[in-house]
Amino acid sequence: NADVMQNPRHLVRRRGQEARLRCSPMKGHSHVYWYRQLPEEGLKFMVYLQKENIIDESGMPKERFSAEFPKEGPSILRIQQVVRGDSAAYFCASHNRAGANVLTFGAGSRLTVL
Amino acid sequence: AQSVSQHNHHVILSEAASLELGCNYSYGGTVNLFWYVQYPGQHLQLLLKYFSGDPLVKGIKGFEAEFIKSKFSFNLRKPSVQWSDTAEYFCAVNLDTGTASKLTFGTGTRLQVTL
Repeated sequence: NADVMQNPRHLVRRRGQEARLRCSPMKGHSHVYWYRQLPEEGLKFMVYLQKENIIDESGMPKERFSAEFPKEGPSILRIQQVVRGDSAAYFCASHNRAGANVLTFGAGSRLTVL
Repeated sequence: AQSVSQHNHHVILSEAASLELGCNYSYGGTVNLFWYVQYPGQHLQLLLKYFSGDPLVKGIKGFEAEFIKSKFSFNLRKPSVQWSDTAEYFCAVNLDTGTASKLTFGTGTRLQVTL
């Protein structure tokens, strides 16, 4: 079992629906990253968040995608009006402090858009 | 922009064979280098990492990797693979900025070990 918990593990949505992916980082970790793995590609950075703050969203598509990491609760990656091209595995990772050099990953959430 | 190349997409080996998976990166500055493994249905796990010092790095499960700065390479090796090593292996790099920052991953190598 991964200490970084992601759910759901598998999500199926029809085009135009919304997808919400959740990530609970390791206990004590306040830094969260989201990565996306498209078929036949490597993981690509999307966004880096600390509690209540977006630090770096340079990898996020400009439209339809948003992420948050509230003071209480998991980090959420939200995809509005999904399209087939959003089908991918979405991985969350965390570390415990600024300056930490190693990420701990979750098992990923696989989104399929019909 | 930095990039990471993994030359082998799919490798099939028999048990006890030796393994070497290639990884090259394109950034000329100081970098941190990682190999992650993903067993079927599981999360990515860190196999080993290089930040500085001895360029030959030992990791878990008998894996090692050698950083060759002049070749911009960080190849993964194991002298004798086991069936349980069947997994996908990812090389990753980030700039040595003192934070985990964002990793740039290769496309991965799927290793299949046959009995």
